[in-house]
Formats: sequence, structure tokens, C-alpha cells
Amino acid sequence: GQNIDQPTEMTATEGAIVQINCTYQTSGFNGLFWYQQHAGEAPTFLSYNVLDGLEEKGRFSSFLSRSKGYSYLLLKELQMKDSASYLCAVMDSNYQLIWGAGTKLIIKP
Amino acid sequence: DTAVSQTPKYLVTQMGNDKSIKCEQNLGHDTMYWYKQDSKKFLKIMFSYNNKELIINETVPNRFSPKSPDKAHLNLHINSLELGDSAVYFCASSQDWTESGNTIYFGEGSWLTVV
Repeated sequence: GQNIDQPTEMTATEGAIVQINCTYQTSGFNGLFWYQQHAGEAPTFLSYNVLDGLEEKGRFSSFLSRSKGYSYLLLKELQMKDSASYLCAVMDSNYQLIWGAGTKLIIKP
Repeated sequence: DTAVSQTPKYLVTQMGNDKSIKCEQNLGHDTMYWYKQDSKKFLKIMFSYNNKELIINETVPNRFSPKSPDKAHLNLHINSLELGDSAVYFCASSQDWTESGNTIYFGEGSWLTVV
């Protein structure tokens, strides 16, 4: 079967750095997405990785290793507004998105 | 203007009723989706349409029927509502479902509560 694993919840301190991991097993691979979802709101697109390596976008970076079936989202200089759920999703060979359950990130002052 | 808009945002209704959720996108996208997010926060694909044609129809009760009058609209009709249908329903769209890097844009969600 296909599955996406990511931690259920993480806690970090304002101003610090946090890494949210995602491992996947899917039928084929056409890229990995990270989405941010604030409570009571819709998911919004953060990043897309299809090649191995690190993609940096401001305070957020996303890394992919296809051979290991592994990705992480790195958030630097954490702000209170970063408190949200972070969803990992993989596009399989049929171009269908397989979603993880999300990691709830709690930022403390 | 909101890119993907869905109505109503909140809906409380009794078991057994029939209800509809409407969705429209003004992004010019070819593909539209309905997702269900339950209390455990899993996003589950329900249906996907590409240029008004059904391309994904996951295992959902046939009480759920999508309708796409044109590629900018994808409505969801639910018959004989049950308590377990209570969830948040997200409409979404993307440029082309067959493309890698096909970014999905979500509507604001419709909170359905069945009592």
C-alpha cells in the first residue's frame, strides 16, 4: 500500500529552527509537496521537490532524497504565526496526491 | 477575488436531509477536486474532474454525487446525510492533473455538521 509518515505533533521555541520529517512509500514518484494549514483554514502551498536536494524559499527550506523516500521541511527563525499543521503529500505514478496526516507545530514564546 | 470559492462555509443540518456545496474557480484551471478532511485531519480525495470529465472517483458512498456544469465549477450534492458525513469539505483546483509539480489550490472549506 501507499503511505506517508510524519510526526503527529512537534513543539519549538520562537526564533529557533525546527525540522519536520516525512517518509513515504508510494507507487511511483512525481514529486513531493509541503502545504501549511492554519487551524480552521485551507491548506496553502509551501514547496515542491522532484529532484534530490535542498530547495530554499526564505525562512522555509525543503529537502528530498528519493532513494531514501525521505523529505524534510526546515523552518528557521520561527515566528508565532508559524504555528500550524504541515502536510506532506506525494504525487504517485498516476499523478494522484497521497497525503500525510500532517504535523501540528506548536510555537512557544 | 478569491481564486477558489465554495459556499456555504458553514452548514448544520439534520440526518436524512439532502444538501449541496458549490464550488467555483477563476484561475482558468482544467482540474477540480473535492476533498474531505475528518476530525483526524486526514485529507482524503473524493472526486476529481478534468475539463468536466470525471477522472478520480474514490470509494465514497453513492449518496455523494459531484456535478461539473463547466470546467470552472464543481458542485457536490449529498443525499440522505448521516452523522459520519460531518467533516470539512475542501474544493480545490489545479492547472493539469497530469503534470508533475501540479500545485493544488484549495478553497476555504465548508464545515458540515450533521445532527
